Amino acid sequence: DSQMTQSPSSLSASVGDRVTITCRASQGISNFLAWYQQKPGKVPNLLIYAASTLQSGVPSRFSGSGSGTDFTLTISSLQPEDVAIYYCQKYDGAPLTFGGGTKVEIK
Amino acid sequence: EVQLLESGGDLVQPGGSLRLSCAASGFPLSSYTMGWVRQAPGKGLEWVSDINNRNTKTYVDSVKGRFTVSRDNSINTLYLQMTSLRAEDTAVYYCVRAGSISWYDCWGQGTLVTVSS
Repeated sequence: DSQMTQSPSSLSASVGDRVTITCRASQGISNFLAWYQQKPGKVPNLLIYAASTLQSGVPSRFSGSGSGTDFTLTISSLQPEDVAIYYCQKYDGAPLTFGGGTKVEIK
Repeated sequence: EVQLLESGGDLVQPGGSLRLSCAASGFPLSSYTMGWVRQAPGKGLEWVSDINNRNTKTYVDSVKGRFTVSRDNSINTLYLQMTSLRAEDTAVYYCVRAGSISWYDCWGQGTLVTVSS
């Protein structure tokens, strides 16, 4: 089974900074990767699917890239409302494993 | 409006059983792959199970043989039957709807299952 490893596990950045989160699959998963945002005390929310397709309603400062084993989620200009834990998830086949999460805070 | 509403979470003793329900509204359950994702207190997300619209079911290894996912399309409801519960099954259980493939575009509010004596 493919494992999903996210890095860093946490980061602190200033408002307006460019933030990049990495997700690595232990085996190739083509572009079968999604990203979710979970704000404190809230339900997870889909941001990106198919590695780079922005879900409807998600701000354009979020973007995703990658294929195969290496993927990135980028926030082009960090906003206070982006404080959250971000998770990647593979969906090429069961088990549909999530990464361990990256906690994003404001400096 | 698309909504998922879970119910059935409770405090149960180790070895016990519980059935979770997820009432879907705003879309026909029969047209979608549905699933369950759990989150232990203070921990990350863990995929538990999926059931597609052909009734094919998949499970994470840790629940195989103990959990059973099912659906009743006539009443737009998804279920998760959980048996032989363990302390490590303690979590908030989210009902999820899959998009065209298996990314999850809709999440319920979650229901808490606590396994403890």
